Amino acid sequence: ELKVEQNPLFLSMQEGKNYTIYCNYSTTSDRLYWYRQDPGKSLESLFVLLSNGAVKQEGRLMASLDTKARLSTLHITAAVHDLSATYFCAVDYPGGGADGLTFGKGTHLIIQP
Amino acid sequence: GAGVSQSPRYKVAKRGQDVALRCDPISGHVSLFWYQQALGQGPEFLTYFQNEAQLDKSGLPSDRFFAERPEGSVSTLKIQRTQQEDSAVYLCASPGGRLAGRTGELFFGEGSRLTVL
Repeated sequence: ELKVEQNPLFLSMQEGKNYTIYCNYSTTSDRLYWYRQDPGKSLESLFVLLSNGAVKQEGRLMASLDTKARLSTLHITAAVHDLSATYFCAVDYPGGGADGLTFGKGTHLIIQP
Repeated sequence: GAGVSQSPRYKVAKRGQDVALRCDPISGHVSLFWYQQALGQGPEFLTYFQNEAQLDKSGLPSDRFFAERPEGSVSTLKIQRTQQEDSAVYLCASPGGRLAGRTGELFFGEGSRLTVL
């Protein structure tokens, strides 16, 4: 069974600081996704990482994937309040079928002025 | 439509009632997924359709849950004899590409928030 673990689950940080969210998964997979969810809203796709060593950046967010370590990171640079949200990583089921994505529990991020 | 549309957005049911949740996926997309998201948790896979065929229903938590997509477009998730533990947001998603089979990036609807009293 594929397990996806995120840490931390809760994070409160100040504006202007840097921080990293970690996503570990238990079986081989070459596709990893990061999503953002605002309260009461649906999930918004942020990054799609499709190979070992992939790095994607959008604004103050940067995501990377190490398939050998089964680890992805989401790095926040100089955080601003608008980035407050819950961030989920999700891994594509490795069996070659169409079983969908397996999500982590999410990291609830609060950025305080 | 341009995106995934779900209805109702909010549903309150008394324990034991049957409910039906509707998903209208991205126009022309073959694949459709249903997920359940409990409060404070990540989405969990329920079931998957390719056109009208339900190829995987391994995530449905009990036989009270039933999903269909009779014409390969709109899908309905039905929950019979609802229980309090069924309270959650039910999300529908379509993949970003048109390829059937292996998933890629998923685009989610706004969800249907079910509260069972």
